Amino acid sequence: GAGVSQTPSNKVTEKGKYVELRCDPISGHTALYWYRQSLGQGPEFLIYFQGTGAADDSGLPNDRFFAVRPEGSVSTLKIQRTERGDSAVYLCASSLTGGGLAGDNEQFFGPGTRLTVL
Amino acid sequence: DAKTTQPNSMESNEEEPVHLPCNHSTISGTDYIHWYRQLPSQGPEYVIHGLTSNVNNRMASLAIAEDRKSSTLILHRATLRDAAVYYCILRLTSNTGKLIFGQGTTLQVKP
Repeated sequence: GAGVSQTPSNKVTEKGKYVELRCDPISGHTALYWYRQSLGQGPEFLIYFQGTGAADDSGLPNDRFFAVRPEGSVSTLKIQRTERGDSAVYLCASSLTGGGLAGDNEQFFGPGTRLTVL
Repeated sequence: DAKTTQPNSMESNEEEPVHLPCNHSTISGTDYIHWYRQLPSQGPEYVIHGLTSNVNNRMASLAIAEDRKSSTLILHRATLRDAAVYYCILRLTSNTGKLIFGQGTTLQVKP
């Protein structure tokens, strides 16, 4: 079946611009996660959705970052006033459930969106 | 969040077994031990997980120490396609399920 997909695969923007990154999780997965990976580093957690609600947004670096999942499936990560330091690969993952059963659940990752801020 | 320690890099020869160690001395009783790997230019991929007992699946085996303070991911016959960064991660059942990645171990497989 289809895995997690992310669009676009690459995004180049200029400093100060607004960008939106899209994630299509595996159908039926209620949990969705966003991560950010800088060059040479492991992925860093940003935000977790259980259904439509953001259950944990403790990883968002500042208020320029925002994410939504209005119908409990597709999610969009939005970055306002982009800065050069936002350049990274943004990864999305989904799992069947999250929360209390999370320890026993695997996450399925998409290929990522490479964001370059000039 | 509980911390894991892994060697930065390891080398293996093709078709030989590989043992990737992970120390997690601060593990608590409800933490699952998860392993993910990331091939070049791809998102991470689940490998295996366990709580207390050793685990086997089609990809690998996970050997967990009796005190749970360390574990070892075992690839029984390394192939060139196994060259990747391997991450050992502790996941609490009580949290949101987010993965806290460290630096991982970069595995190089030589033909």
